[in-house]
Amino acid sequence: AQKVTQAQTEISVVEKEDVTLDCVYETRDTTYYLFWYKQPPSGELVFLIRRNSFDEQNEISGRYSWNFQKSTSSFNFTITASQVVDSAVYFCALSEVRLRGGADGLTFGKGTHLIIQP
Amino acid sequence: GAGVSQSPSNKVTEKGKDVELRCDPISGHTALYWYRQSLGQGLEFLIYFQGNSAPDKSGLPSDRFSAERTGGSVSTLTIQRTQQEDSAVYLCASSPVGGGTEAFFGQGTRLTVV
Repeated sequence: AQKVTQAQTEISVVEKEDVTLDCVYETRDTTYYLFWYKQPPSGELVFLIRRNSFDEQNEISGRYSWNFQKSTSSFNFTITASQVVDSAVYFCALSEVRLRGGADGLTFGKGTHLIIQP
Repeated sequence: GAGVSQSPSNKVTEKGKDVELRCDPISGHTALYWYRQSLGQGLEFLIYFQGNSAPDKSGLPSDRFSAERTGGSVSTLTIQRTQQEDSAVYLCASSPVGGGTEAFFGQGTRLTVV
């Protein structure tokens, strides 16, 4: 069975600080996908990134960066120079790929509530 | 519209009544998912439709829950004999194909059972 753990329930930092959100996953499959989603107060889940299990390259997109390490089953997310607009709940998720070509639904972590104080 | 559309946005119902929640996926998306988000439980997968394949119902919490997808497009999630523990936000998502592609989420239906 698959599992995603986001140990940080809530993080509060002052604007312009860097912050890292942790994500640890468990899966028996060798082929899987990892995701990060952002849920602002409006409630809609916004896709941030998808990474497949064969691609361990770290990725940077503006102030966002992701560190994927298969050896520790972690997919951490860092926001550099945080801004108040980054305040949201962030979810890490895992999707396994079935042999028949479909996919299990996303298994989500419980989310990290990030508060950026001005 | 360009995104996933869900209706109603809010629903209050009495315990024991049946409810239907609707999801209009993005046109052309073959995969459709239902999730439930409730306090203390996070986001739970409920059911997955992919093209004409039999749906994956492994996440449905009880036989009071069912879903269908007509014509490979619109989906309806039905909860029979609602209970207070069914109160949650029900989220629908669609993606162009299955297999770990990016899923686009609707804004959800907030269900309150009183």
